[in-house]
Amino acid sequence: AQKVTQAQTEISVVEKEDVTLDCVYETRDTTYYLFWYKQPPSGELVFLIRRNSFDEQNEISGRYSWNFQKSTSSFNFTITASQVVDSAVYFCALSETSGTYKYIFGTGTRLKVLA
Amino acid sequence: DAGITQSPRHKVTETGTPVTLRCHQTENHRYMYWYRQDPGHGLRLIHYSYGVKDTDKGEVSDGYSVSRSKTEDFLLTLESATSSQTSVYFCAISESAISTDTQYFGPGTRLTVL
Repeated sequence: AQKVTQAQTEISVVEKEDVTLDCVYETRDTTYYLFWYKQPPSGELVFLIRRNSFDEQNEISGRYSWNFQKSTSSFNFTITASQVVDSAVYFCALSETSGTYKYIFGTGTRLKVLA
Repeated sequence: DAGITQSPRHKVTETGTPVTLRCHQTENHRYMYWYRQDPGHGLRLIHYSYGVKDTDKGEVSDGYSVSRSKTEDFLLTLESATSSQTSVYFCAISESAISTDTQYFGPGTRLTVL
């Protein structure tokens, strides 16, 4: 069965610190997709990244980077030099190609960046 | 940003009353979804649609029904609202036929059932 675990419920860092948000998933499929979304205090869900199971290259986008490791079933998200605007809840999600049109979301990690 | 709106954005209602939430998109995407977000549960799929008049259940569909008479509109109805349906409801859309396409979310509707 699909499962996504975000064990860190809440993380607090001081501005300019680096922070890593963990995401561990379970799936029996060999082909699947992983996603990260950001939910700022305003409440909307903002798409950040989509990664397929055949692409283990790390991704970097500005201060954001993602580390995908199939060997440990993890898809971790690092924010470098965090800023107050990064304060949000971050969700990891998994979608299998053998399933129907649904994602399985983790329970989210609340990141607080303190000035 | 994907053109997705939800109405109303906030609603307070009483137990036993019917409630309809509307999702409207301007992207002409074929697939639309309704999720609910609750503390400790992340987002859970209620129903989804893969075309006009084509809908199917998600993992938490009990107590909810949906309709899609036009590509751009997807309605979620609570026939008789209960306090357990107090939640934030999100609509999402995706373009592709495959389950792995990126879903883009609307701004959400906060529903309180007293």
